Amino acid sequence: EDQVTQSPEALRLQEGESSSLNCSYTVSGLRGLFWYRQDPGKGPEFLFTLYSAGEEKEKERLKATLTKKESFLHITAPKPEDSATYLCAVQAEAGTALIFGKGTTLSVSS
Amino acid sequence: ETGVTQSPTHLIKTRGQQVTLRCSSQSGHNTVSWYQQALGQGPQFIFQYYREEENGRGNFPPRFSGLQFPNYSSELNVNALELDDSALYLCASSLRAGDYGYTFGSGTRLTVV
Repeated sequence: EDQVTQSPEALRLQEGESSSLNCSYTVSGLRGLFWYRQDPGKGPEFLFTLYSAGEEKEKERLKATLTKKESFLHITAPKPEDSATYLCAVQAEAGTALIFGKGTTLSVSS
Repeated sequence: ETGVTQSPTHLIKTRGQQVTLRCSSQSGHNTVSWYQQALGQGPQFIFQYYREEENGRGNFPPRFSGLQFPNYSSELNVNALELDDSALYLCASSLRAGDYGYTFGSGTRLTVV
């Protein structure tokens, strides 16, 4: 069964304190792995798509990496405005659905 | 370029009633997916429509049904509402089954009392 597990469930950081969020997945042939940011009461906002092991993508203070079993979202020198829930999802080769993890809720304090 | 818009933003219904939620896809997108997100959980796939045909369905009962129109907008209908149907309902649009990523709307918050 295709599955996504995110850890930790919650993460509290001080402004400027870098860290990483983990997304472990099992899928029958990966079509793509997606990272989204979600603010309370809002829909997910697209961040990155990764397609193959070894691929990396960056956007401002965020960098996403992918291996055959997991993906990491690295946050460098976070700011309070980075506080949100970060969702990871996979799409299988044969499937149409995105399979989401439960997310990691990040809180950054100044 | 407009994004994905959903209506209404909030809705309160009584158990046993029926509800229709609406979604306008992003300009140029021909695929619409619907997701249910319970509090503290990740979104769960309900179904997907590509060029007005359902082409994928998650583990939801038949009382969850949908439509896609020629302009690629979509409706989600839920019959015989249950308390557990209370959730944020998200619509996402894409080009051809997500080949180029999915754009989500802000969702409809449904409360069943």
